[in-house]
Amino acid sequence: TQLLEQSPQFLSIQEGENLTVYCNSSSVFSSLQWYRQEPGEGPVLLVTVVTGGEVKKLKRLTFQFGDARKDSSLHITAAQPGDTGLYLCAGCSGGYQKVTFGTGTKLQVIP
Amino acid sequence: GAGVSQTPSNKVTEKGKYVELRCDPISGHTALYWYRQSLGQGPEFLIYFQGTGAADDSGLPNDRFFAVRPEGSVSTLKIQRTERGDSAVYLCASSVGVDTGELFFGEGSRLTVL
Repeated sequence: TQLLEQSPQFLSIQEGENLTVYCNSSSVFSSLQWYRQEPGEGPVLLVTVVTGGEVKKLKRLTFQFGDARKDSSLHITAAQPGDTGLYLCAGCSGGYQKVTFGTGTKLQVIP
Repeated sequence: GAGVSQTPSNKVTEKGKYVELRCDPISGHTALYWYRQSLGQGPEFLIYFQGTGAADDSGLPNDRFFAVRPEGSVSTLKIQRTERGDSAVYLCASSVGVDTGELFFGEGSRLTVL
Protein backbone atom coordinates (compact mmCIF):
# COMPACT_ATOMS: atom_id res chain seq x y z
CA THR A 1 0.00 0.00 0.00
CA GLN A 2 1.35 3.41 -0.94
CA LEU A 3 0.91 5.85 1.91
CA LEU A 4 1.24 9.60 1.60
CA GLU A 5 1.58 11.29 4.97
CA GLN A 6 0.92 15.01 5.17
CA SER A 7 2.01 17.33 7.94
CA PRO A 8 0.76 19.21 9.72
CA GLN A 9 -2.74 17.74 9.86
CA PHE A 10 -4.24 21.05 10.96
CA LEU A 11 -2.93 24.59 10.66
CA SER A 12 -4.54 27.80 11.90
CA ILE A 13 -2.64 31.00 11.12
CA GLN A 14 -3.16 34.75 10.90
CA GLU A 15 -3.57 36.50 7.59
CA GLY A 16 -0.18 37.52 6.18
CA GLU A 17 1.81 34.66 7.71
CA ASN A 18 3.79 32.13 5.68
CA LEU A 19 3.35 28.37 5.93
CA THR A 20 4.66 25.10 4.54
CA VAL A 21 2.82 21.82 4.13
CA TYR A 22 4.75 18.58 3.68
CA CYS A 23 3.84 15.40 1.83
CA ASN A 24 6.02 12.33 2.45
CA SER A 25 6.07 8.75 1.23
CA SER A 26 8.38 5.77 1.10
CA SER A 27 7.25 5.12 -2.48
CA VAL A 28 8.49 6.69 -5.68
CA PHE A 29 5.89 8.40 -7.85
CA SER A 30 5.99 9.24 -11.53
CA SER A 31 4.35 12.56 -10.74
CA LEU A 32 2.72 14.32 -7.84
CA GLN A 33 -0.29 16.58 -7.77
CA TRP A 34 -1.62 19.07 -5.23
CA TYR A 35 -5.35 19.69 -4.85
CA ARG A 36 -7.41 22.08 -2.77
CA GLN A 37 -10.86 21.16 -1.50
CA GLU A 38 -13.57 23.36 -0.01
CA PRO A 39 -16.49 22.03 2.08
CA GLY A 40 -19.18 20.33 0.01
CA GLU A 41 -17.09 20.26 -3.13
CA GLY A 42 -14.67 17.91 -4.82
CA PRO A 43 -10.91 18.57 -4.85
CA VAL A 44 -9.61 20.95 -7.52
CA LEU A 45 -6.15 20.57 -9.06
CA LEU A 46 -3.58 23.26 -8.23
CA VAL A 47 -0.45 21.85 -9.85
CA THR A 48 1.30 18.74 -11.17
CA VAL A 49 5.05 18.22 -10.69
CA VAL A 50 6.82 15.57 -12.72
CA THR A 51 10.60 15.91 -12.50
CA GLY A 52 12.62 15.26 -9.33
CA GLY A 53 13.71 18.59 -7.86
CA GLU A 54 11.13 20.51 -9.87
CA VAL A 55 9.82 23.78 -8.43
CA LYS A 56 6.60 25.39 -9.66
CA LYS A 57 5.10 28.69 -8.63
CA LEU A 58 1.45 29.66 -8.76
CA LYS A 59 1.11 33.26 -7.53
CA ARG A 60 1.82 33.03 -3.77
CA LEU A 61 2.06 29.22 -3.80
CA THR A 62 5.37 27.40 -4.40
CA PHE A 63 5.43 23.65 -4.97
CA GLN A 64 8.52 21.45 -4.88
CA PHE A 65 8.99 17.80 -5.83
CA GLY A 66 11.74 15.98 -3.96
CA ASP A 67 14.83 14.83 -5.85
CA ALA A 68 13.92 11.18 -5.26
CA ARG A 69 10.28 11.79 -6.25
CA LYS A 70 9.06 10.50 -2.87
CA ASP A 71 8.09 13.77 -1.23
CA SER A 72 6.80 17.24 -1.93
CA SER A 73 6.12 20.53 -0.22
CA LEU A 74 3.71 23.40 -0.64
CA HIS A 75 4.72 26.84 0.61
CA ILE A 76 2.23 29.70 0.84
CA THR A 77 3.50 33.24 1.21
CA ALA A 78 1.38 35.90 2.91
CA ALA A 79 -1.63 33.66 3.45
CA GLN A 80 -5.08 35.12 2.88
CA PRO A 81 -8.50 34.01 4.17
CA GLY A 82 -9.31 32.78 0.68
CA ASP A 83 -6.55 30.17 1.06
CA THR A 84 -8.60 28.38 3.71
CA GLY A 85 -9.37 24.80 2.75
CA LEU A 86 -8.20 21.19 2.76
CA TYR A 87 -4.93 20.72 0.88
CA LEU A 88 -4.28 17.29 -0.57
CA CYS A 89 -1.23 15.85 -2.25
CA ALA A 90 -1.73 12.94 -4.64
CA GLY A 91 0.90 10.55 -5.95
CA CYS A 92 0.56 9.13 -9.44
CA SER A 93 2.06 5.77 -10.36
CA GLY A 94 1.64 2.68 -12.41
CA GLY A 95 1.05 2.24 -16.08
CA TYR A 96 -2.63 2.77 -15.50
CA GLN A 97 -2.35 6.08 -13.64
CA LYS A 98 -3.34 5.05 -10.12
CA VAL A 99 -3.75 8.22 -8.07
CA THR A 100 -3.32 7.91 -4.31
CA PHE A 101 -4.22 10.83 -2.06
CA GLY A 102 -2.44 11.99 1.06
CA THR A 103 -3.96 12.30 4.51
CA GLY A 104 -4.76 16.00 4.02
CA THR A 105 -3.88 19.31 5.70
CA LYS A 106 -6.72 21.50 6.88
CA LEU A 107 -5.69 25.15 6.69
CA GLN A 108 -7.56 28.01 8.34
CA VAL A 109 -6.42 31.58 7.70
CA ILE A 110 -7.85 34.03 10.20
CA PRO A 111 -8.46 37.62 9.00
CA GLY B 1 -23.44 20.78 -17.47
CA ALA B 2 -19.88 20.10 -18.54
CA GLY B 3 -18.59 18.80 -15.21
CA VAL B 4 -18.76 15.47 -13.41
CA SER B 5 -22.25 14.83 -12.09
CA GLN B 6 -23.03 12.60 -9.12
CA THR B 7 -26.42 11.49 -7.90
CA PRO B 8 -27.87 11.44 -5.36
CA SER B 9 -26.08 14.25 -3.56
CA ASN B 10 -27.38 12.94 -0.27
CA LYS B 11 -28.58 9.45 0.65
CA VAL B 12 -29.82 8.31 4.05
CA THR B 13 -30.49 4.61 4.42
CA GLU B 14 -30.92 1.98 7.09
CA LYS B 15 -28.37 -0.63 8.03
CA GLY B 16 -28.68 -3.68 5.81
CA LYS B 17 -30.20 -1.89 2.81
CA TYR B 18 -28.84 -1.79 -0.77
CA VAL B 19 -27.56 1.49 -2.23
CA GLU B 20 -26.57 2.66 -5.71
CA LEU B 21 -24.54 5.79 -6.37
CA ARG B 22 -24.27 7.14 -9.91
CA CYS B 23 -21.48 9.06 -11.63
CA ASP B 24 -21.75 10.78 -15.01
CA PRO B 25 -18.21 11.77 -16.10
CA ILE B 26 -17.09 14.51 -18.44
CA SER B 27 -17.85 13.52 -22.02
CA GLY B 28 -14.87 11.90 -23.71
CA HIS B 29 -13.00 11.09 -20.48
CA THR B 30 -11.96 7.45 -20.61
CA ALA B 31 -10.65 7.17 -17.05
CA LEU B 32 -13.05 7.11 -14.09
CA TYR B 33 -12.23 6.85 -10.39
CA TRP B 34 -14.25 6.23 -7.25
CA TYR B 35 -12.99 7.43 -3.88
CA ARG B 36 -14.43 7.46 -0.37
CA GLN B 37 -13.75 10.37 1.98
CA SER B 38 -14.34 10.82 5.68
CA LEU B 39 -14.59 14.30 7.19
CA GLY B 40 -11.26 16.14 7.11
CA GLN B 41 -9.40 13.17 5.62
CA GLY B 42 -7.90 12.56 2.20
CA PRO B 43 -9.94 10.59 -0.34
CA GLU B 44 -9.43 6.82 -0.12
CA PHE B 45 -9.06 5.03 -3.46
CA LEU B 46 -11.75 2.45 -4.23
CA ILE B 47 -11.66 1.56 -7.93
CA TYR B 48 -10.40 2.83 -11.29
CA PHE B 49 -11.90 2.23 -14.73
CA GLN B 50 -10.21 2.64 -18.07
CA GLY B 51 -13.04 2.46 -20.55
CA THR B 52 -15.49 -0.27 -19.56
CA GLY B 53 -13.07 -2.38 -17.57
CA ALA B 54 -12.01 -2.07 -13.96
CA ALA B 55 -8.24 -1.62 -14.25
CA ASP B 56 -7.75 -1.63 -10.49
CA ASP B 57 -10.35 -2.54 -7.86
CA SER B 58 -7.86 -3.12 -5.07
CA GLY B 59 -9.39 -0.37 -2.92
CA LEU B 60 -12.85 -1.92 -2.61
CA PRO B 61 -13.15 -2.76 1.12
CA ASN B 62 -14.97 -6.10 0.72
CA ASP B 63 -17.36 -7.99 -1.52
CA ARG B 64 -20.31 -5.84 -0.49
CA PHE B 65 -18.92 -3.14 -2.77
CA PHE B 66 -19.14 -3.41 -6.54
CA ALA B 67 -18.90 -0.92 -9.41
CA VAL B 68 -19.77 -1.09 -13.09
CA ARG B 69 -19.27 1.05 -16.16
CA PRO B 70 -21.00 -0.96 -18.90
CA GLU B 71 -20.72 1.50 -21.78
CA GLY B 72 -17.54 3.27 -20.79
CA SER B 73 -19.31 6.40 -19.64
CA VAL B 74 -21.71 6.41 -16.66
CA SER B 75 -20.61 4.37 -13.65
CA THR B 76 -22.60 3.00 -10.73
CA LEU B 77 -21.14 2.13 -7.34
CA LYS B 78 -23.25 -0.51 -5.62
CA ILE B 79 -23.16 -1.27 -1.90
CA GLN B 80 -25.00 -4.29 -0.52
CA ARG B 81 -26.05 -4.85 3.11
CA THR B 82 -24.90 -1.38 4.14
CA GLU B 83 -23.21 -0.93 7.51
CA ARG B 84 -22.86 2.19 9.66
CA GLY B 85 -19.14 2.22 8.84
CA ASP B 86 -19.98 2.78 5.17
CA SER B 87 -21.13 6.31 6.01
CA ALA B 88 -18.92 8.76 4.09
CA VAL B 89 -18.80 11.00 1.05
CA TYR B 90 -18.30 8.99 -2.11
CA LEU B 91 -16.40 10.99 -4.73
CA CYS B 92 -16.21 10.25 -8.43
CA ALA B 93 -13.56 11.72 -10.73
CA SER B 94 -12.77 11.45 -14.41
CA SER B 95 -9.75 12.25 -16.51
CA VAL B 96 -8.79 12.28 -20.16
CA GLY B 97 -6.94 9.03 -19.62
CA VAL B 98 -3.73 9.82 -21.44
CA ASP B 99 -0.74 9.85 -19.05
CA THR B 100 -1.46 11.17 -15.57
CA GLY B 101 -3.63 14.16 -16.12
CA GLU B 102 -5.90 16.26 -13.97
CA LEU B 103 -8.69 14.50 -12.12
CA PHE B 104 -12.00 16.35 -12.36
CA PHE B 105 -14.19 15.61 -9.37
CA GLY B 106 -17.91 15.69 -8.82
CA GLU B 107 -19.36 17.17 -5.65
CA GLY B 108 -19.79 13.74 -4.13
CA SER B 109 -22.63 11.64 -2.76
CA ARG B 110 -22.97 11.82 1.00
CA LEU B 111 -24.11 8.44 2.33
CA THR B 112 -25.45 8.11 5.86
CA VAL B 113 -26.27 4.64 7.17
CA LEU B 114 -28.45 4.72 10.29
